[in-house]
Amino acid sequence: GAVVSQHPSRVICKSGTSVKIECRSLDFQATTMFWYRQFPKQSLMLMATSNEGSKATYEQGVEKDKFLINHASLTLSTLTVTSAHPEDSSFYICSARDSGFANYGYTFGSGTRLTVV
Amino acid sequence: AQSVTQLDSQVPVFEEAPVELRCNYSSSVSVYLFWYVQYPNQGLQLLLKYLSGSTLVKGINGFEAEFNKSQTSFHLRKPSVHISDTAEYFCAVSVGQGGKLIFGQGTELSVKP
Repeated sequence: GAVVSQHPSRVICKSGTSVKIECRSLDFQATTMFWYRQFPKQSLMLMATSNEGSKATYEQGVEKDKFLINHASLTLSTLTVTSAHPEDSSFYICSARDSGFANYGYTFGSGTRLTVV
Repeated sequence: AQSVTQLDSQVPVFEEAPVELRCNYSSSVSVYLFWYVQYPNQGLQLLLKYLSGSTLVKGINGFEAEFNKSQTSFHLRKPSVHISDTAEYFCAVSVGQGGKLIFGQGTELSVKP
């Protein structure tokens, strides 16, 4: 089945630094990927939709300049948290959409636990 | 705009008992419906999905769900749960093939011996 690889699984960074999270679709091409943020005991909040070769579409209230998204190929999207602060600490999850109807669905990465100290 | 409501935030149940996790959605157009499971500190795993066709959908780990268009519901059921089913369950909806996935608030299933 479809597999999405997300790295790193955990990262600790100092306040003010930037962190890059990678999301790769391993066995299918994903023209669209999604980035979510999840706080403890809460649901997933969609941050942005990443389209290969074009600019990402951000949800209302998400800072474009803080959460930089790049989707340079059909199998890779990256999320960079710039100038991270403790309030950015969270669980970030990516998802890739397989658009073929028979396989239509959204496959999720294993998530990245970001801790900003 | 579409939305998803999971009616129970927590569902405690004894091992081998049946369980139903409720999900209602609102949308003025046709939707695709999904149930995912999340174990602690992990991503989401697809349990089952409804795209079209039969309204009764069977998924992995013995779970099934029934799409009810008139009641705009997509409840998840399992006839006999195991301790290992303890996890967070999310119902989600997307509108059309181009749609983004919108999640419900999640239901914490706790299976006790």
